[in-house]
Amino acid sequence: QQQVKQSPQSLIVQKGGISIINCAYENTAFDYFPWYQQFPGKGPALLIAIRPDVSEKKEGRFTISFNKSAKQFSLHIMDSQPGDSATYFCAASFETSGSRLTFGEGTQLTVNP
Amino acid sequence: NAGVTQTPKFRVLKTGQSMTLLCAQDMNHEYMYWYRQDPGMGLRLIHYSVGEGTTAKGEVPDGYNVSRLKKQNFLLGLESAAPSQTSVYFCASSYRTASNYGYTFGSGTRLTVV
Repeated sequence: QQQVKQSPQSLIVQKGGISIINCAYENTAFDYFPWYQQFPGKGPALLIAIRPDVSEKKEGRFTISFNKSAKQFSLHIMDSQPGDSATYFCAASFETSGSRLTFGEGTQLTVNP
Repeated sequence: NAGVTQTPKFRVLKTGQSMTLLCAQDMNHEYMYWYRQDPGMGLRLIHYSVGEGTTAKGEVPDGYNVSRLKKQNFLLGLESAAPSQTSVYFCASSYRTASNYGYTFGSGTRLTVV
């Protein structure tokens, strides 16, 4: 049972455009929501994360929007660059009872020059 | 500072063979994890450990065993490999909470079972 659903599976964006990846979760006990970025041949790396007590977090060109009532969160990449081409995973965990992350299915982002 | 090191990086096994994947971390992290990554399925937790000498089952533990005899090492074993275990395996480590600097992942082991 996939507790974190991610869409789209793949995304193609032009350089300078906005990339948007969406995730939905089922378990309301989740209290930590990170996004990981993975380049080919590498392990995932933490990109940005949010807790449910805030609705938005921004770090440079990357923004997480969080909707607690809808049990959804999304990653926005502004001014997308070819170097952003990678696979992106959303995830969720219960910080209060351990730190096991449950990952979404992943989104392969391609930014065309 | 090497971070998380996985060996081997690639391996081809015949059905029924056994092997051990080794994960080593040098960050003094308490928690360690083994995930498998399959296309369209994200990363799924196989087993994890919250400290030296402890292990626990994750989401997809069948067909795998683990051991953590030393804090810095976490071993994943396949006793009798099956084609369904063809995957990319990632080891990760973290402090007690994932929000403290996140997980640190290794670069993966690509395993093919024929």
